[in-house]
Amino acid sequence: GAVVSQHPSRVICKSGTSVKIECRSLDFQATTMFWYRQFPKQSLMLMATSNEGSKATYEQGVEKDKFLINHASLTLSTLTVTSAHPEDSSFYICSAWASGRIDTQYFGPGTRLTVL
Amino acid sequence: GENVEQHPSTLSVQEGDSAVIKCTYSDSASNYFPWYKQELGKRPQLIIDIRSNVGEKKDQRIAVTLNKTAKHFSLHITETQPEDSAVYFCAASPSYSGGGADGLTFGKGTHLIIQP
Repeated sequence: GAVVSQHPSRVICKSGTSVKIECRSLDFQATTMFWYRQFPKQSLMLMATSNEGSKATYEQGVEKDKFLINHASLTLSTLTVTSAHPEDSSFYICSAWASGRIDTQYFGPGTRLTVL
Repeated sequence: GENVEQHPSTLSVQEGDSAVIKCTYSDSASNYFPWYKQELGKRPQLIIDIRSNVGEKKDQRIAVTLNKTAKHFSLHITETQPEDSAVYFCAASPSYSGGGADGLTFGKGTHLIIQP
């Protein structure tokens, strides 16, 4: 199956700092990558859809200036949480999909962000 | 946008019995319906999926049924085992190709507890 990795797995930062999370497709080129957020004991909520070489599409209610997404290559997408605050503490999970190759989204292992 | 309702939120069954989790969706344009199993702090794992041209799909102890007219789909697990204990999420997407070009809308999840 397709393998998706995320780095870091856990990060703790101070309020007001920025944090970058990487999502990589290891054995395939991802046409599209998705970013989800999951609060404790809640469901996954789609934040944005990212296509290589183009601007990300954000879901309603997600601040694009706060959650910067860059999809510079077919195997890497990054999510930067800018000026993080405690309410941004969450589990961030990416998924990747490749047109014509795989028939579903494959999820990364997630990144646990804690903002102090 | 799509809205996915999932019931029950918690389900406790005796080991060896069957478990059924139900979801309804609102967008008649949805075509792809995956089910995920998620253990605490880990990524969602796809356990079975179904597309709108099929009414039922089975994989060993797991089956999914889809009623497009009524806009609901269900997960059936037979002969439950302790390792089936986890949180299960249903999801929906308009993209027929495995939810690839579109993000997934998730239900709120069902905590399945298998009593020994």
